[in-house]
Formats: sequence, structure tokens, C-alpha cells
Amino acid sequence: DIQLTQSPSSLSASVGDRVTITCQASRDIAKNLNWYQQKPGQAPKVLISDSSKLQIGVPPRFSGGGSGTHYTFTISSLQPEDFATYYCQHYDNVPISFGQGTRLDIK
Amino acid sequence: EVQLVESGGGLVQPGGSLRLSCTASGFSFSSHWMHWVRQVPGKGLMWVSRINGDGTTIHDADSVRGRFTISRDNTKNTLYMQLSGLRAEDTAVYYCARQFLGYFDLWGRGTLVTVSS
Repeated sequence: DIQLTQSPSSLSASVGDRVTITCQASRDIAKNLNWYQQKPGQAPKVLISDSSKLQIGVPPRFSGGGSGTHYTFTISSLQPEDFATYYCQHYDNVPISFGQGTRLDIK
Repeated sequence: EVQLVESGGGLVQPGGSLRLSCTASGFSFSSHWMHWVRQVPGKGLMWVSRINGDGTTIHDADSVRGRFTISRDNTKNTLYMQLSGLRAEDTAVYYCARQFLGYFDLWGRGTLVTVSS
């Protein structure tokens, strides 16, 4: 089974800051990695697929990258609506798994 | 409207059973792999199970295999999850999700299952 180690688990930042979250896979997942945003009381929403493909309608301040076992998710300039929890998720094989999540709070 | 709506959650005693439903609308249900993902309140996401479009291929997480059974009825545009042998640690919000390519592009709002005596 593939384990995803996401870091940090929590992060405090200010509007306008640049933040980066990392997701380390226990083996090569060939860019089969997605990123989701979840706000309290809501279902997750996909932001990035296949490591770096921005979903339609998602602002370009969100980006993703990486390959092999190491992946990153970046918000270039935090906006008030970005404070949420973010998860990475692989689909390289089953069982599918998610990272532990990164809670992004306002500083 | 394109949506997924879960139902069937509730309070059940340890060892009990429950059937969750997820009704799809606004898209070609039978064309998609469908999944169940759960989330303990305040905790992270955990993938539970998936089923292909015609219901012939199923995969489950180890922690639920033999206790939970995913199924679908494409004539009713409905995904199911039969939960049995429920444990306190199965308490969670259960989401159904549609797979598109390699990601979950559509989620329901979730249904809460509480296992407690």
C-alpha cells in the first residue's frame, strides 16, 4: 500500500503570503496525485489533478508540481477564502489513499 | 442539476448494520467509477471502496473488507454501501464521490453514521 506523508499538518499564514505544502509518497506514483480543498461542513473540492493540472475555474494562484515520490502544492498569494484544509490523494493503484491533511489558518 | 445525494446514515449499535444510498442525477451514472470516502468528524479523509460502471469490479480498503459491501443499481442511478459488523471506529461522515479520469470531481454532502450503544 502507498502511504502519503503530508506536511506540515497545520500552518498559520497571512493574506498575501505564499505557502507550500508537500506530499511524500512511499513509492513512485508517477504524478498520479491530486490536491483537494475542504472547508468546514463541506465536501472536498478538487483543485489540482495529475500533480500539476489546474482544474477549470480554480484561480491560478494555486499550483502543483512534483514527480516520483515528492509533490508540492503552492498558493502564491493567500486570499481570505483560501483558509481551509488541503489534502493530497494518489490514484496510482488501490488502495487509494489521502495525506493526513494540512490545516491552513489565519495568522 | 449534476449532483450526488447520500442518505441512510444514523445511529446504530455496535455490531449493527446500515445501508447507505447515494442517488445521482444530471449525468450518465453508469459511465463512471463510483467511490465511498469517509471522514471521522474533525479528522482526515479515508477511501473506503470503489465500483466500476457496470458493477463487475470492486475494491475495498482492508479495514472494511468483509464487513462493507459496495453495489450499484444503474436503473435507479443509485450507489449503495451495506455496512455490517459496525464498530465505534466506523463512526464518520460517509461521502459518495464520482471518479473522472483519476480524480474525484463530484461529491455528495455526506451522511453521518454514528456507532454507539
